[in-house]
Amino acid sequence: AQSVTQLDSHVSVSEGTPVLLRCNYSSSYSPSLFWYVQHPNKGLQLLLKYTSAATLVKGINGFEAEFKKSETSFHLTKPSAHMSDAAEYFCVVSLIGKLIFGQGTELSVKP
Amino acid sequence: DSGVTQTPKHLITATGQRVTLRCSPRSGDLSVYWYQQSLDQGLQFLIQYYNGEERAKGNILERFSAQQFPDLHSELNLSSLELGDSALYFCASSSSLLGTGGLGDTGELFFGEGSRLTVL
Repeated sequence: AQSVTQLDSHVSVSEGTPVLLRCNYSSSYSPSLFWYVQHPNKGLQLLLKYTSAATLVKGINGFEAEFKKSETSFHLTKPSAHMSDAAEYFCVVSLIGKLIFGQGTELSVKP
Repeated sequence: DSGVTQTPKHLITATGQRVTLRCSPRSGDLSVYWYQQSLDQGLQFLIQYYNGEERAKGNILERFSAQQFPDLHSELNLSSLELGDSALYFCASSSSLLGTGGLGDTGELFFGEGSRLTVL
């Protein structure tokens, strides 16, 4: 069965410092993995996706994620946080017909 | 703007009542998904329709039902409402069936801004 675990419910960083949001997945076959972002009072938006091509995936707004099969991880990173990055981030694994969402990580960015 | 429209944006009702949430997918998208987002449960998949037919079911209660019409818009019906049904309900659409690896399966969902339901 597929599942996804986001290891931190809340992450706080200072503006200009690196961001790391952690995600581990469980899948019985090679998964498709995604990160979505939800800004306050908005719907979710796709940040990036991994679909068995390059293991380092680049997304929008300077975010990237690395697929590590040996660690069953798909952590989201950004070299330098911006105030506008404050939002909730969801790691997602694809199952036929639907997406399974992690519980979300709320990212706070301090000035 | 994702192109997915949900109405109403906010809804306040009483326990025991019934409400209908409406979703218009992006132009050309055949798949519609419904999700429930609450503080304690997170984002939960409810149900998916593809071109008018139910294709996948998640944690949808028997008191809830949905359908997709020939013009591809979808409605989620919530009945015998309870306090615990208070949540943000999202509709999302995609051009194809996700996770099938088929042509056009980008894995991307386009989300509406949600309908916030408050049950008092």
